Amino acid sequence: DAKTTQPTSMDCAEGRAANLPCNHSTISGNEYVYWYRQIHSQGPQYIIHGLKNNETNEMASLIITEDRKSSTLILPHATLRDTAVYYCIVRVVSGGSNYKLTFGKGTLLTVNP
Amino acid sequence: EAGVTQSPTHLIKTRGQQATLRCSPISGHTSVYWYQQALGLGLQFLLWYDEGEERNRGNFPPRFSGRQFPNYSSELNVNALELEDSALYLCASSLVATEAFFGQGTRLTVV
Repeated sequence: DAKTTQPTSMDCAEGRAANLPCNHSTISGNEYVYWYRQIHSQGPQYIIHGLKNNETNEMASLIITEDRKSSTLILPHATLRDTAVYYCIVRVVSGGSNYKLTFGKGTLLTVNP
Repeated sequence: EAGVTQSPTHLIKTRGQQATLRCSPISGHTSVYWYQQALGLGLQFLLWYDEGEERNRGNFPPRFSGRQFPNYSSELNVNALELEDSALYLCASSLVATEAFFGQGTRLTVV
């Protein structure tokens, strides 16, 4: 799996958009970008994933650059409950046999009142 | 629809004993992944099972083992427990190559 680089921590004001960047410059053509988050001592929660087009669901939006070397997760209106460690992961989803998720250190997002 | 369930929630064992952790995947999911998260550390991949077979294994000693049953539930066994095995053990399930969903984990404490 390709490596990802994320900032160690970020702050965001409650009600504002939180933009979390991720660099994955060695991503391969058969790898998707996945985002998970983990609230303290709980199991990671799936947020969103994408290949090359921008994606949106009820939780967040995912913007992937045209060269696919970086992406941004956007939480449009952050709340205190969004305080968590956010993980950006690239994962093989076709043509391979290794579909495990490899977690890095992630970004600790702190939403402040 | 029920999510991934893990049991027990907490487990306390003595050094040298064996621990058995259980995971029930989301209905219809055939893949089960196990992860270890020691206090303050990241999630380390342990094992991946699909259709009853072990498909991949992380960098852990052989005393970490498991299996997947015909109903796709899974069991993680840790033999000869050591103090450093104390961690949150997380299970996730998916269809192969689709998004994986995690349970809330089993907190194993070795004393």
